[in-house]
Amino acid sequence: EPEVTQTPSHQVTQMGQEVILRCVPISNHLYFYWYRQILGQKVEFLVSFYNNEISEKSEIFDDQFSVERPDGSNFTLKIRSTKLEDSAMYFCASYGVAGGPREDTQYFGPGTRLTVL
Amino acid sequence: AQSVTQPDIHITVSEGASLELRCNYSYGATPYLFWYVQSPGQGLQLLLKYFSGDTLVQGIKGFEAEFKRSQSSFNLRKPSVHWSDAAEYFCAVGAQGGYNKLIFGAGTRLAVHP
Repeated sequence: EPEVTQTPSHQVTQMGQEVILRCVPISNHLYFYWYRQILGQKVEFLVSFYNNEISEKSEIFDDQFSVERPDGSNFTLKIRSTKLEDSAMYFCASYGVAGGPREDTQYFGPGTRLTVL
Repeated sequence: AQSVTQPDIHITVSEGASLELRCNYSYGATPYLFWYVQSPGQGLQLLLKYFSGDTLVQGIKGFEAEFKRSQSSFNLRKPSVHWSDAAEYFCAVGAQGGYNKLIFGAGTRLAVHP
């Protein structure tokens, strides 16, 4: 079964530094997402991306965050100047259309644990 | 407001016992409903989903869930729990279409005693 993959599995950074989290969605999926889970809290939606543009974003997704699909396979989340409160597990997800692989549901990657010191 | 409530933060059951995890949702339109499981240090794995039709849906690992519109509930059940079921379980709701953002509950952590 095709899977969503994410790199790195764990990223440690200093406050104020830029980080880029990478995701490879399931091939032929068209919708891409980032969610985050602060330790001990619920999973929260950050942003959705379709047709090379943001389709929806939450209030968490401020100007410090950006997303990009630089090529046909990767989907990235950039945090320009990290804060302590950005420490969380970040999940990438992708969604497929009917008839494609793993259709009709968002499938999640294993996550990247971001620690901001 | 759209929300998902999982009233039980922690549940402990004995191996072989039955299990029911509760989920209530508040959603303006007809929702798509999901249960995901997260094992320690792992990502979110889809257990099952409800879009329409038969209100009792079967998922992986022997889990099932029942959609009750009148109660705004989507409870997860398993007749006999295995030690490997120990994990955190998340209920989620989304708009029709599947591609819309998911709103998650706070999760229920399941412990299984031998």
